[in-house]
Amino acid sequence: EVQLVQSGAEVKNPGESLKISCKGSGYSFTSYWIGWVRQMPGKGLEWMGIIYPGDSDTRYSPSFQGQVTISADKSISTAYLQWSSLKASDTAMYYCARRCAAADAFNIWGQGTMVTVSS
Amino acid sequence: EIVLTQSPGTLSLSPGERATLSCRASQSVSSSYLAWYQQKPGQAPRLLIYGASSRATGIPDRFSGSGSGTDFTLTISRLEPEDFAVYYCQQYGSSSITFGQGTRLEIK
Repeated sequence: EVQLVQSGAEVKNPGESLKISCKGSGYSFTSYWIGWVRQMPGKGLEWMGIIYPGDSDTRYSPSFQGQVTISADKSISTAYLQWSSLKASDTAMYYCARRCAAADAFNIWGQGTMVTVSS
Repeated sequence: EIVLTQSPGTLSLSPGERATLSCRASQSVSSSYLAWYQQKPGQAPRLLIYGASSRATGIPDRFSGSGSGTDFTLTISRLEPEDFAVYYCQQYGSSSITFGQGTRLEIK
């Protein structure tokens, strides 16, 4: 079964760093783009960026460029999203999603990682 | 960056009725790069339509997509109780992806 499994919920203080993960299984991890999507509480979906694990080619949304870092370790089929200094406004659900082979859409989604930043 | 505007914001219908959801782009989008998703509370989004009109695997044929250029439509021909959810359109262009703000489909 093709799936993406994300790391568990996090509660952090403002200013702390964080790295969340998304592990792919059931397919060739290096052959599909993985994207990250933010959903703030009660709000819509926002694309953050996308990475091709085969060569680590990474693209960022202008809104998130410089705010987060997307990376991947193909040896363990895992993509990452990290922050160096969290803010309260980073409180959100974060989804990873795999891009279709045949189209520019995300057909496989992780279950989401809830990040809460609060003092 | 291409902005996608969905309308209406909320659509109130009854089971069995037909739903028509709109997605308008601020500039032309290639049909190959327009997708629709469904999201239910507490769940990740699910891909319904890609390439503007192709149903994703396992999606019932009551869901259909159409449109081109700047105007796209998701139609649900006959609403089932499980179809009441939030729907998002999404486009990919010039190495950038954007989502619409969503349409909430609620039971009347």
